[in-house]
Amino acid sequence: AQSVTQPDIHITVSEGASLELRCNYSYGATPYLFWYVQSPGQGLQLLLKYFSGDTLVQGIKGFEAEFKRSQSSFNLRKPSVHWSDAAEYFCASLGFQKLVFGTGTRLLVSP
Amino acid sequence: GAVVSQHPSWVICKSGTSVKIECRSLDFQATTMFWYRQFPKQSLMLMATSNEGSKATYEQGVEKDKFLINHASLTLSTLTVTSAHPEDSSFYICSAQNQDGGLYNEQFFGPGTRLTVL
Repeated sequence: AQSVTQPDIHITVSEGASLELRCNYSYGATPYLFWYVQSPGQGLQLLLKYFSGDTLVQGIKGFEAEFKRSQSSFNLRKPSVHWSDAAEYFCASLGFQKLVFGTGTRLLVSP
Repeated sequence: GAVVSQHPSWVICKSGTSVKIECRSLDFQATTMFWYRQFPKQSLMLMATSNEGSKATYEQGVEKDKFLINHASLTLSTLTVTSAHPEDSSFYICSAQNQDGGLYNEQFFGPGTRLTVL
């Protein structure tokens, strides 16, 4: 069965430091992959998606993600974190028109 | 654009009562809407997919008689939790998908509804 794993439940990063959130997927064919962000009391917002082509995907708010088939990974990165980036981040894959989500990673930003 | 609202944002009810949650697409027509349930520190779990004018398709393990879904118009879907019990307490999130063709139609998510059953 299709699955998405986010091994880090929470991560703390200093403001201005770089960030990498890990995501691993399990899917036989080429997956459609997504990163969403959820702030408290708000819905999920799409940061970026990968369907095919260039394996480095640029998203909104300065985020990027790299698809690595050999590692079954789709890690999210940002070169310099801002305090407003503190939120819950979800990786997801699409199968049979249904989104399958990872368990999420909570990002804490320290001053 | 592509805003999805949910009402109420939170609700507290007594055990045995029914609760209705609304999901609206405010600026687009949504042929398909999805209902998710999110437990603390867990991922979103798809409960059902609803298409306008037809019966919802429920995921395995979701009781269709307990979680009634209606998608009567292209901008509104409702989830009714019937005879709610404390174990139904959760965060319910809907998403709406516009059908503009193409390989994948993005889902736009509502802000969620926190249900607490006493």
